[in-house]
Amino acid sequence: RKEVEQDPGPFNVPEGATVAFNCTYSNSASQSFFWYRQDCRKEPKLLMSVYSSGNEDGRFTAQLNRASQYISLLIRDSKLSDSATYLCVVPGGTMDSNYQLIWGAGTKLIIKP
Amino acid sequence: DAGVTQSPTHLIKTRGQHVTLRCSPISGHKSVSWYQQVLGQGPQFIFQYYEKEERGRGNFPDRFSARQFPNYSSELNVNALLLGDSALYLCASSLVLVTDTQYFGPGTRLTVL
Repeated sequence: RKEVEQDPGPFNVPEGATVAFNCTYSNSASQSFFWYRQDCRKEPKLLMSVYSSGNEDGRFTAQLNRASQYISLLIRDSKLSDSATYLCVVPGGTMDSNYQLIWGAGTKLIIKP
Repeated sequence: DAGVTQSPTHLIKTRGQHVTLRCSPISGHKSVSWYQQVLGQGPQFIFQYYEKEERGRGNFPDRFSARQFPNYSSELNVNALLLGDSALYLCASSLVLVTDTQYFGPGTRLTVL
């Protein structure tokens, strides 16, 4: 099992719709999680951090299911500008040994007018 | 305030050559991480430096090395370039820990011929 797995998509969604995608992780000790957004040929930018059961920021909601080891990202009332690749990030290693962030391959989202 | 800067933006090298990539973090940030991103994949962690010491290393061969300077800027060096080293190399700075929000530079696109 990969350390972080995402459905690569693409998800083709009409403008205004709600879309959700999941990210599964293998390190059960992970305490914090991140969703980054990456536009084509640009650098990743932090969208949301998740430290407990979930987080909400406007149209974006991230939820954490520790028992099943996945985090989800829900986007409501999608906009054309939401078209991007969404990367799930999970800490790997331990604080004492080679602590690093493990990145998923990303889910591509295309919002259509 | 200036964000993370990287140089050069693009680079073309031939197999066997050596390359040095540079990164200047956001003012006040003490941690720099390096990532390699090939098309269609998420960033792969290469190194993290904090206070001029290596704090994390990804699964990359010894041809990859890095260092951090007293002003917290950093260099990534790659020796004996291979075709497979062609990628976008991203530098990210964070305040202290790698779990702090990572701010990415625009990246250096390396092409090895």
